[in-house]
Amino acid sequence: EPEVTQTPSHQVTQMGQEVILRCVPISNHLYFYWYRQILGQKVEFLVSFYNNEISEKSEIFDDQFSVERPDGSNFTLKIRSTKLEDSAMYFCASQQGTEAFFGQGTRLTVV
Amino acid sequence: GENVEQHPSTLSVQEGDSAVIKCTYSDSASNYFPWYKQELGKGPQLIIDIRSNVGEKKDQRIAVTLNKTAKHFSLHITETQPEDSAVYFCAANRDLLGNEKLTFGTGTRLTIIP
Repeated sequence: EPEVTQTPSHQVTQMGQEVILRCVPISNHLYFYWYRQILGQKVEFLVSFYNNEISEKSEIFDDQFSVERPDGSNFTLKIRSTKLEDSAMYFCASQQGTEAFFGQGTRLTVV
Repeated sequence: GENVEQHPSTLSVQEGDSAVIKCTYSDSASNYFPWYKQELGKGPQLIIDIRSNVGEKKDQRIAVTLNKTAKHFSLHITETQPEDSAVYFCAANRDLLGNEKLTFGTGTRLTIIP
């Protein structure tokens, strides 16, 4: 069964450092998302991406965040200068039609 | 924007009994309501969904009901088994043929007691 894969599974970084979270969506899907889940809280939408551009972003997705699909397969989330409050699980999802398929997540810990 | 509330936050059920998780939503334009199961260390997995043109949908031991007038929907799991232990999330969106973000509830940690 096709699946969304994310790397790394866990990333520890120092405050102020840049991180790149990577995702390989399902190959024939056209819509891609990043969500995050702070420990014990709900899954929150960050950004959606279609046709090589952002189609919607939330208030959380400020200038420190960017997304890219550099090579037609990978889909990346970059946080330019991490803050303590960026510590969370980050989920990538891809979608074709209604159902969204989620990756297993990257746990980002900012210290 | 859409706001989804989910109750209870934790639920413990004896194996074999039924579990019910409830969600309410605020946006009357929402018409797609999926339920996700999240096991430890994994991403959310779709287990069942319902659209606003139906009031109930069933898949083996899992069922979802929708009351569009009251803006609430519920997940029902019958004959619960230990492998049903997980965190369950409800979600909602407008189902505009794709490219529509999901708004999630706060999650319910379901524990099945053997």
